[in-house]
Amino acid sequence: DQQVKQNSPSLSVQEGRISILNCDYTNSMFDYFLWYKKYPAEGPTFLISISSIKDKNEDGRFTVFLNKSAKHLSLHIVPSQPGDSAVYFCAGYGGSQGNLIFGKGTKLSVKP
Amino acid sequence: KAGVTQTPRYLIKTRGQQVTLSCSPISGHRSVSWYQQTPGQGLQFLFEYFSETQRNKGNFPGRFSGRQFSNSRSEMNVSTLELGDSALYLCASRQAPSYEQYFGPGTRLTVT
Repeated sequence: DQQVKQNSPSLSVQEGRISILNCDYTNSMFDYFLWYKKYPAEGPTFLISISSIKDKNEDGRFTVFLNKSAKHLSLHIVPSQPGDSAVYFCAGYGGSQGNLIFGKGTKLSVKP
Repeated sequence: KAGVTQTPRYLIKTRGQQVTLSCSPISGHRSVSWYQQTPGQGLQFLFEYFSETQRNKGNFPGRFSGRQFSNSRSEMNVSTLELGDSALYLCASRQAPSYEQYFGPGTRLTVT
């Protein structure tokens, strides 16, 4: 049972444009969501989070939107830069286990 | 503050052996979680320790165990290694009650 789904395994975007990474979840008990960025051979790096009582959180070039009724969240990166090329993971927190549950990731490539 | 550190970074073991991985959390963080990352399954939760007590456990066999010391450092042990245990093992720490977990660089375990 995949509680957090990232249906796009990869995304390619031109430098300077917007990158939109999507994530769907099934567990209504999640009360917090986080996005991580991961480079090869490194651990995930925390990017931005959002509480389930909010619908938007912004931090510099990164904005996360949460649509609870659709059980959907998205990460917007504007403008995209080549250094943003990495695998992005969405994670939900809460529910019965009280630990992070990750999606399988979306590989973002930003072309110069 | 120094980040999460993990040792060793790389390890090669033979099927049937056992292995111990070590994690030092960010200073002041009392919660340590362990995750396994494989290409097919993504990031999967192993267990979480808080103040030397296991708080949560993922769906892994009993060959996977861990412990936490009074200084919050944690170790993970895998006994009777199988080929399928080859993975990147990630440790993450957080400062409760925050949900944000900060990851170490991981230990790449190869079982031959």
